[in-house]
Amino acid sequence: AQSVTQLGSHVSVSEGALVLLRCNYSSSVPPYLFWYVQYPNQGLQLLLKYTSAATLVKGINGFEAEFKKSETSFHLTKPSAHMSDAAEYFCAVRGKWGGGADGLTFGKGTHLIIQP
Amino acid sequence: GAVVSQHPSRVICKSGTSVKIECRSLDFQATTMFWYRQFPKQSLMLMATSNEGSKATYEQGVEKDKFLINHASLTLSTLTVTSAHPEDSSFYICSVATGIEQFFGPGTRLTVL
Repeated sequence: AQSVTQLGSHVSVSEGALVLLRCNYSSSVPPYLFWYVQYPNQGLQLLLKYTSAATLVKGINGFEAEFKKSETSFHLTKPSAHMSDAAEYFCAVRGKWGGGADGLTFGKGTHLIIQP
Repeated sequence: GAVVSQHPSRVICKSGTSVKIECRSLDFQATTMFWYRQFPKQSLMLMATSNEGSKATYEQGVEKDKFLINHASLTLSTLTVTSAHPEDSSFYICSVATGIEQFFGPGTRLTVL
């Protein structure tokens, strides 16, 4: 079974400041990990994914995340926040089973607030 | 990635009626789609896995007789909420699996009065 914990339901940063959104996972098998962003009343957009290649993953809109197996973490960062980054961010995990498709297990989400 | 649409985007219905939500994969032949629900200010919870040409697989605690899923073609899966009640009001989101990744539809906001 897998689970995801996102620390901090709300994170507030100033425009231009570093963004750090935390995600820890639990998985009984090597995981696939994802970060999604959701704007109000919309579906989810994939920011980036970890699939056991490079541990530092670069995504869209300047975001990146680092997979740390020893810490079971996959924190999302962005060097300089923009006002347009204000949204809900979800970390998700999928077990790397032998085959087929599996649904994702999501964290509770972190609401990112950007202060002007 | 896959482009996924949902219809309708919003629906309001009376308690006791049934509502059908469509999920279409516009540019990808999807053998597997997923249905999630999201309560206000909460995370997404997987409801069921929709498999083309076979019965859906429901997550624990999800009533299969209440949430009927039909995946009749490689581009269309439907979710029917039968005898809807106010507690079924939620944001329903589908996704298309393309190997490792999932691409999500824009969601359907269901309000049951």
